Amino acid sequence: GAVVSQHPSWVICKSGTSVKIECRSLDFQATTMFWYRQFPKQSLMLMATSNEGSKATYEQGVEKDKFLINHASLTLSTLTVTSAHPEDSSFYICSARDLVGKGSPEQYFGPGTRLTVT
Amino acid sequence: DAKTTQPPSMDCAEGRAANLPCNHSTISGNEYVYWYRQIHSQGPQYIIHGLKNNETNEMASLIITEDRKSSTLILPHATLRDTAVYYCIASASAGNMLTFGGGTRLMVKP
Repeated sequence: GAVVSQHPSWVICKSGTSVKIECRSLDFQATTMFWYRQFPKQSLMLMATSNEGSKATYEQGVEKDKFLINHASLTLSTLTVTSAHPEDSSFYICSARDLVGKGSPEQYFGPGTRLTVT
Repeated sequence: DAKTTQPPSMDCAEGRAANLPCNHSTISGNEYVYWYRQIHSQGPQYIIHGLKNNETNEMASLIITEDRKSSTLILPHATLRDTAVYYCIASASAGNMLTFGGGTRLMVKP
């Protein structure tokens, strides 16, 4: 089946620094990738929709200048958390939509990245 | 996406069937019912989906009522590894952004 990877799987960074999270579709091309955030004991919340070759679309309340998204190729999207603060500590999950619609499931999720800001 | 409502938690004995209900009374005619699950600290995993007819795959069965206002996910022989949060989502396509509700936390007990 289709596989989506994320790197790193976990990261600890100091407050004020930036951290980049990669999302890769390993065996399919994805024109669209989604970034979700999940706080402890809460559900996934969509942050932004990332389209290859164009600017990401951010959900209301998500700061585009703080969460930089780049989708430069059909297999890679990156999320950069700039000037991270402890409140940015969360579980970040990406998903990728298969370019060739094969029926469902058409969206495949990565394993997530646990970010801890100290 | 139509709003879905699920019980926050359920218990199930190992080896027994787990029946997880979901209400989606405002579902549109073109919206499918998708089920995903999330095991602790992992990304969501697709389970099954359906439009009108009941569906079965190697993981589960999906029963959708005739009026499509509710559905039930059935894990026929629950194992401890099925302990997870199960999300029911109504969407015209799984390729769209998915709106995750609270889900049902299923605890399978020995």
